[in-house]
Amino acid sequence: SAVISQKPSRDICQRGTSLTIQCQVDSQVTMMFWYRQQPGQSLTLIATANQGSEATYESGFVIDKFPISRPNLTFSTLTVSNMSPEDSSIYLCSVDSTRSYNEQFFGPGTRLTVL
Amino acid sequence: GDSVTQMEGPVTLSEEAFLTINCTYTATGYPSLFWYVQYPGEGLQLLLKATKADDKGSNKGFEATYRKETTSFHLEKGSVQVSDSAVYFCALSGGSNYKLTFGKGTLLTVNP
Repeated sequence: SAVISQKPSRDICQRGTSLTIQCQVDSQVTMMFWYRQQPGQSLTLIATANQGSEATYESGFVIDKFPISRPNLTFSTLTVSNMSPEDSSIYLCSVDSTRSYNEQFFGPGTRLTVL
Repeated sequence: GDSVTQMEGPVTLSEEAFLTINCTYTATGYPSLFWYVQYPGEGLQLLLKATKADDKGSNKGFEATYRKETTSFHLEKGSVQVSDSAVYFCALSGGSNYKLTFGKGTLLTVNP
């Protein structure tokens, strides 16, 4: 399985500011995913990031609000822009397994609180 | 679109009790089915999976069988431990884009 780290692990931010979350994997992976887990809720896919191409966003999520970078096969960033208290969530990145179809491994998450 | 419905929690059990967490799904085609677990303060971990009808996934004493006729993937464990206290998520993945669709999660608390 892949080892995934995220930075920061948690942050408290002011309304109107932006935060960039980093996701680092210990091996090269094709697909990386960003999820949001709102308080007491399930995980919702924000976007899929493939190296060398634009991220693909799910319905309800837009690039201006959640810009994503994928500069290489082991790293990705998610920016939460112009934050409001409704953006308070846990943000998780995941990667596809190179050995098992449709299986994903998750990072530890970034807990974001917006005041 | 795809969806997953799982048993609402929280579920509170005594140690060594039998556990069932129900999960049903709606999907086109033949999805793969998963149970993920999230221990307090940690990220999601894959607990078990099944990729086709009648497959049984198992791990750490947990089991779930892919039932296509009832579109279900219920999680069971014969004797829970305090260390099983966590949030359990049922999920499916269908199609070629590897997207995971999650249920809302079930909080399990096991008391000694």
